[in-house]
Formats: sequence, C-alpha cells, structure tokens
Amino acid sequence: GQQVMQIPQYQHVQEGEDFTTYCNSSTTLSNIQWYKQRPGGHPVFLIQLVKSGEVKKQKRLTFQFGEAKKNSSLHITATQTTDVGTYFCAGRRGFMTDKLIFGTGTRLQVFP
Amino acid sequence: NAGVTQTPKFQVLKTGQSMTLQCAQDMNHEYMSWYRQDPGMGLRLIHYSVGAGITDQGEVPNGYNVSRSTTEDFPLRLLSAAPSQTSVYFCASSYGDRTYEQYFGPGTRLTVT
Repeated sequence: GQQVMQIPQYQHVQEGEDFTTYCNSSTTLSNIQWYKQRPGGHPVFLIQLVKSGEVKKQKRLTFQFGEAKKNSSLHITATQTTDVGTYFCAGRRGFMTDKLIFGTGTRLQVFP
Repeated sequence: NAGVTQTPKFQVLKTGQSMTLQCAQDMNHEYMSWYRQDPGMGLRLIHYSVGAGITDQGEVPNGYNVSRSTTEDFPLRLLSAAPSQTSVYFCASSYGDRTYEQYFGPGTRLTVT
C-alpha cells in the first residue's frame, strides 16, 4: 500500500493565512521532491531536497527535509488564490532504486 | 519542444476491451514512467523504464503492460479493461539520473464501464 502519507488531505484557508502540509514515509528516503497540481492540470515540479535537515525557500514557500530523512514539510506564508491546487511530495526509498513514490497529496483551497 | 505528450485525452472502454495509451517525449529523457491518479490515493506508479529496452514494475502493475523500444515512446497497454482501471493516467519523463525532476504529460482520463 501507500507508504508515503501526507496530512492533511484537505485544507481550506482564508487568503493571507499560512498553510503547511506534512509528508511522512515509513522508510528512509534518499531524496524528496515536491510537486504542485492545479485543478484539471498535471503535476509540476517545485523543488528537491537531498540532505538531512535541509531547508529551502522559494519566495513564500519553505520546504524542509527531516533529520532522519523520513519526513518533509511544505509551508506557505500568506496564501494567495494562486496557491490553490494539490501539493504532492515524492521520494525514493533508498539510494539504489529508480522508483519515485508519490505521497497521497494535500488539496489546498484558498478563499478570497 | 512539445515536452511530454499523451493520447488520447479521454477514452471510454467497455469491460474486457483492450487499448493502448500513448506517451511520447522529445527531450531525450532516459527515464519514463506511468502513474494513475485516483481521488485520495495520490499518484501511484504503474511501470517505469530507465532506458530503451528496460522496463520494471511499479506499485500497481497488474493489468498493465509496457514496452520501451525507443527513447521517445513509452506506451501503456490495458489487455482486458476492468472498471477498477477507471482513473486518470499520467506519463512522466526525466533525465537518467535519479535526482532529476519529472516532467508530466497532460494526462488521459479513462472510464471503463
């Protein structure tokens, strides 16, 4: 079954509020990627984290990779209506596998 | 560059019918993969390929076949469609190294009645 879980499944926020989604794996990940999928669209790559404890920022988005490389988070500061969509994490379990396993996703709705 | 293209965009099949979902990329990517997306399940890996002539199973391979005769094309075959295969199917590609981002096609929405 799915071994990369994301919480929450859904999040509704008022524009300007912050948003965080969490990604948890049962096994160590060699790296983690984040994707955004707009309604009716396809997933689009946002960022990749590789190192334990790594933190990266893209404007209002902050991405973290856990020290044990089993979890990650995406935090959006002061959401905007353009942030609407589903956010997925994706990781490889181990360093010798080519399989990229996606999380269950968090759907974000932003009300103006 | 067209990127990753998928055909058809929509398809309705009857149970037991067979069909092939087409995927092509013009970026000379070595790695290609097929995912299915179902509500609440995220994207689940069906099959993937690390280069022409090489394919392997993902998380949910049953009921699907793939082949990779060229770098550009990676078709997904449903041998005998079942209602459980109703889903949105995405093809993706990336450079050969495991650290590269995936580029997704626009998807095929398949309904099996």
